[in-house]
Amino acid sequence: GQSLEQPSEVTAVEGAIVQINCTYQTSGFYGLSWYQQHDGGAPTFLSYNALDGLEETGRFSSFLSRSDSYGYLLLQELQMKDSASYFCAVKGSNDYKLSFGAGTTVTVRA
Amino acid sequence: DTEVTQTPKHLVMGMTNKKSLKCEQHMGHRAMYWYKQKAKKPPELMFVYSYEKLSINESVPSRFSPECPNSSLLNLHLHALQPEDSALYLCASSQDRGRAEAFFGQGTRLTVV
Repeated sequence: GQSLEQPSEVTAVEGAIVQINCTYQTSGFYGLSWYQQHDGGAPTFLSYNALDGLEETGRFSSFLSRSDSYGYLLLQELQMKDSASYFCAVKGSNDYKLSFGAGTTVTVRA
Repeated sequence: DTEVTQTPKHLVMGMTNKKSLKCEQHMGHRAMYWYKQKAKKPPELMFVYSYEKLSINESVPSRFSPECPNSSLLNLHLHALQPEDSALYLCASSQDRGRAEAFFGQGTRLTVV
């Protein structure tokens, strides 16, 4: 099976940069993905890494190091609308399950 | 078009009722998922369909019964649910079961009374 660890909460001010780390254990590996979920809403896909390195999508970037079983999501130029929960998720190649971390609540202050 | 559509958005049902949740995607994705999410918790995998065949059942009670009529549709049939089954039920799809990016519908918020 899979297990993931990510911080439970992060608080930052508008305009700041936030990095959310995610470490994982999985039997086989297809990729690490990130999702944003606002209160009362559904998860929205943000970014995906199957290979080592940085993927940039606008203000959000995601990084993966397969040798360290580690990834992070970087949120730049924080805006109030970025206040949400962020989940990392890993897909194992042995069982094809997409399993989620417990989530990181990001609070952006004015 | 990266849209997954779920109906209904809200559902209140009694413990003796039978109801169905529906999910539709037109992205040509061949893997579809049902997740259950409780408040302040991550999504919890229930079922995975790959090429219209059930490939994963995460030991879900039989009062939840999934069905995949075709590659675009996914249903979840509910019968004799318990109050603790109240949750947000999420449908998702991905290009195939080997891809880690999944696209979620807006969910059905289910209340069992």
